[in-house]
Amino acid sequence: TQLLEQSPQFLSIQEGENLTVYCNSSSVFSSLQWYRQEPGEGPVLLVTVVTGGEVKKLKRLTFQFGDARKDSSLHITAAQPGDTGLYLCAGKDNNAGNMLTFGGGTRLMVKP
Amino acid sequence: DTAVSQTPKYLVTQMGNDKSIKCEQNLGHDTMYWYKQDSKKFLKIMFSYNNKELIINETVPNRFSPKSPDKAHLNLHINSLELGDSAVYFCASSQDFPSGSLAYNEQFFGPGTRLTVL
Repeated sequence: TQLLEQSPQFLSIQEGENLTVYCNSSSVFSSLQWYRQEPGEGPVLLVTVVTGGEVKKLKRLTFQFGDARKDSSLHITAAQPGDTGLYLCAGKDNNAGNMLTFGGGTRLMVKP
Repeated sequence: DTAVSQTPKYLVTQMGNDKSIKCEQNLGHDTMYWYKQDSKKFLKIMFSYNNKELIINETVPNRFSPKSPDKAHLNLHINSLELGDSAVYFCASSQDFPSGSLAYNEQFFGPGTRLTVL
């Protein structure tokens, strides 16, 4: 069974601070996705990383896939209250169909 | 237009009852899923289904059964509800790609159904 561990589980910071969320596994994934979920809604895809070492930027968000494709990080620069939410990483193994394995999530709160 | 919709949004019921949650997607996707999100926000796959194959997470009790009247719908039926079934259930869909494909598998999620078993 493939497992994804996210850290930290909870993060409360002030507006303007930087933060990094980590997603780690002992398994290799074909691709890894990051989703953001707001209260009362379903997760929404932010980005997909596929190549080991790949870095993708989405405005103030920077996503990196580890060289061995076992881990990923999400870095947010100058966090804003609108970034508040639950961040989920999800790994896909192309040899196991289209099913995703989700991490436990990081609950981020950005205070104004 | 809502891409993936679920009904009801909230469901409160007594232990031992049988209930169904409906899901519809208008994206033309081949594959649909059901997830369970517990109180700690852990999102766990329950089923993956397309017109060819049903994949069941082995940890899901057989009281849970997906029913698909057509490609755009995947309903979740639950028999003999238990207290531990209380959670938020999410339906999702994605475009099907051959196994081994490098194509991304973006999943589109519904808004969730909060089930409370009393």
